[in-house]
Amino acid sequence: QKEVEQDPGPLSVPEGAIVSLNCTYSNSAFQYFMWYRQYSRKGPELLMYTYSSGNKEDGRFTAQVDKSSKYISLFIRDSQPSDSATYLCAMNNAGNMLTFGGGTRLMVKP
Amino acid sequence: DSGVTQTPKHLITATGQRVTLRCSPRSGDLSVYWYQQSLDQGLQFLIQYYNGEERAKGNILERFSAQQFPDLHSELNLSSLELGDSALYFCASSVGPPATDTQYFGPGTRLTVL
Repeated sequence: QKEVEQDPGPLSVPEGAIVSLNCTYSNSAFQYFMWYRQYSRKGPELLMYTYSSGNKEDGRFTAQVDKSSKYISLFIRDSQPSDSATYLCAMNNAGNMLTFGGGTRLMVKP
Repeated sequence: DSGVTQTPKHLITATGQRVTLRCSPRSGDLSVYWYQQSLDQGLQFLIQYYNGEERAKGNILERFSAQQFPDLHSELNLSSLELGDSALYFCASSVGPPATDTQYFGPGTRLTVL
C-alpha cells in the first residue's frame, strides 16, 4: 500500500461546479501538506501549502487538512475549463522528502 | 514559467546507453531536487543537493547519479538504461535545504528508452 493514496479519476465536471479532490495518507508524522497542479506535458506548480490541521483559502481554492483522519482535500469553486489538469497532493515532515499522491485528472467541460 | 530550466526537453536513446540531464535552478535557489514521473509509479523523489552537497536520497537506482556544480546547476546521469527508465524527469529548486521550502519545478525532460 502506498503512503499517499489519491483517486486517479478522471473527474469530469461542468463549468461552474464545485470540485472536491482528496488524498488519504498513512504516515502520521506528515505535517506539511501541499497541492500541486500539473498541466499536460508541464512541470507541477504549487497551488496551496498548509501546515498541520485546518483550512486555508486562496481565491477559488480551499485546502483542508484533517490529521485525525489522515485526510486532505482541495476544493475548487466556480471551476473553469482552465482548471483542467492533474492535481497532485504532496506531504512531508520537517527535513524529509516530499511524498506525492498519484494525481487526480480533472476535466472541466464548458 | 517557474524559472527552473531543464535540457534537453526530449531524449530518445537505446537500452544500455548513458544520458545526462541538466538543470539550472531559479536565481538565488541553493537546493536542487530530482524527481522521476512514470505512469505506474507517479512522481518519485530521487535525490536532493544543497549548495553542492548531497542532502537527501530517495528511490534512486545505483545506475543513476547526480551532482551539483559550483554555479549551482545540476546534472542527473543515467547509465545502463533499461526500458523501464522511460519517464519524465523533473528538476525542482528551492531557496534553502529543508524539503518544506516551496519547491519550484522545471518543465521536465522526457526520456524514451527503446
